[in-house]
Amino acid sequence: QKEVEQNSGPLSVPEGAIASLNCTYSDRVSQSFFWYRQYSGKSPELIMSIYSNGDKEDGRFTAQLNKASQYVSLLIRDSQPSDSATYLCAVKGYSSASKIIFGSGTRLSIRP
Amino acid sequence: DTEVTQTPKHLVMGMTNKKSLKCEQHMGHRAMYWYKQKAKKPPELMFVYSYEKLSINESVPSRFSPECPNSSLLNLHLHALQPEDSALYLCASSQVTGANVLTFGAGSRLTVL
Repeated sequence: QKEVEQNSGPLSVPEGAIASLNCTYSDRVSQSFFWYRQYSGKSPELIMSIYSNGDKEDGRFTAQLNKASQYVSLLIRDSQPSDSATYLCAVKGYSSASKIIFGSGTRLSIRP
Repeated sequence: DTEVTQTPKHLVMGMTNKKSLKCEQHMGHRAMYWYKQKAKKPPELMFVYSYEKLSINESVPSRFSPECPNSSLLNLHLHALQPEDSALYLCASSQVTGANVLTFGAGSRLTVL
């Protein structure tokens, strides 16, 4: 079982709609959760971090965390063509020495 | 300055060549990382430097040799690479090891012929 699992996509969403990206993780003691956006050929860019159960909103982005289900998601409202990218879910354990483990990413395509 | 700068952006080398990738940050971060990313795969951690000392080596082959000359610079020396080493090499930094926020550089795309 992979430590961080994501559907590879591509996920195609019409412009203006809500894009929903999902991620599951295997380590129950994981404490920190991140969403990175990576445009083709570019480096990952942190867009959201979440540490406690529930929702965290930042502009058009909402991260949702359910530790009991070991599930984290990212919602993108009013999707724009510029949101087309690969979204990497990343998870970090409890200790300060824990590494950040990345999922394989979900490729999102926003169609005009 | 909130950037991590990597050079070169692109590198093509033969299997007998020796080359180096460079990474620089001036954010005062004391942890620096090398990641390798193949197409459609997640970044894979290679090395971590903490306060200029190597703290993690993820069993990387010795043909990759990291070096941290000072707190702002991180090098990756390459020698006798294989074609399967062709990938995007990403440098990242964080305030300290284990910090939650990684700042990535733009990457160096390496092709080994």
